Amino acid sequence: DIQMTQSPSSLSASVGDRLTITCRASQSIRNYLVWYRQKPGKIPELLIHAASTLESGVPSRFSGSGSGTDFTLTISSLQPEDVATYYCQNYYSGLPLAFGGGTKVEIK
Amino acid sequence: QVQVVESGGGLVKPGGSLRLSCTASGFTFGDYYMSWIRQAPGKGLEWVSYISTTGTYKYDADSVKGRFTISRDNANKSLYLQMNSLRAEDTAVYYCARCKFPGIADIWGQGTLVTVSS
Repeated sequence: DIQMTQSPSSLSASVGDRLTITCRASQSIRNYLVWYRQKPGKIPELLIHAASTLESGVPSRFSGSGSGTDFTLTISSLQPEDVATYYCQNYYSGLPLAFGGGTKVEIK
Repeated sequence: QVQVVESGGGLVKPGGSLRLSCTASGFTFGDYYMSWIRQAPGKGLEWVSYISTTGTYKYDADSVKGRFTISRDNANKSLYLQMNSLRAEDTAVYYCARCKFPGIADIWGQGTLVTVSS
C-alpha cells in the first residue's frame, strides 16, 4: 500500500503570508501527484496536476513542486478565499489511489 | 455547462444494498473515465472506484472490493455504483467525478449522502 502524508494538518496564517504545505509519498510516484482544494461546505476543486501544472483558472499565487516522494504546495500570498482544506493525491499507475489526510488552512 | 449530478443516496441498514446514479451533461461522456469518491462526515477524501471509457477497466479500492460494482451506460451518459453488504463505515457523501486522466478528478458533483445505520 502507498501512504500519502501531509504536513501540517492545520495552520493559521495572516493575509498576504506565504504558505507551504508538504506531501510525502511512502514510495516514489514520480510526478503523478495532484492537489485539490475544498472550501468549507463545498465540493473539492482540482488545483494542480503532474505535481506542478496549474489547472485553468487557478490563481498564479498557487504553485506546486516536487517529484519522487516529496512534494509541496505553495500559496505565495494568502487570500481570505484560500481558507480551505487542501489534499494531495497520487495517481501513479499500478499503485492504489490515495489521498493525504488534508491540511486545513485558516486566517489569523 | 459541464456537470455531473448524483442521486440515489439514503438511509440503509447494515448488510443492505443501494445503487447510486450519476448523470452527466455538457461534455462527451464516453470520452472520459468516470469515478466515485467518498468523504465520511468530517473526514478526508477516499477513492472508491473508477471505470474506463468503455467499461473494460475498473479500479476498486481494497475497502470496497467484492462489495461495490461500478458501471456505466454511455448511451444515457450515466454512471452507477451498486453497493452491497453495506457497513457503518461506508457512511459518507459519495461524489461522482469526471476524470481528465485515470486518477485525476476534474469535475465533481455535489454528492449524495449514504448513511448505513440500524
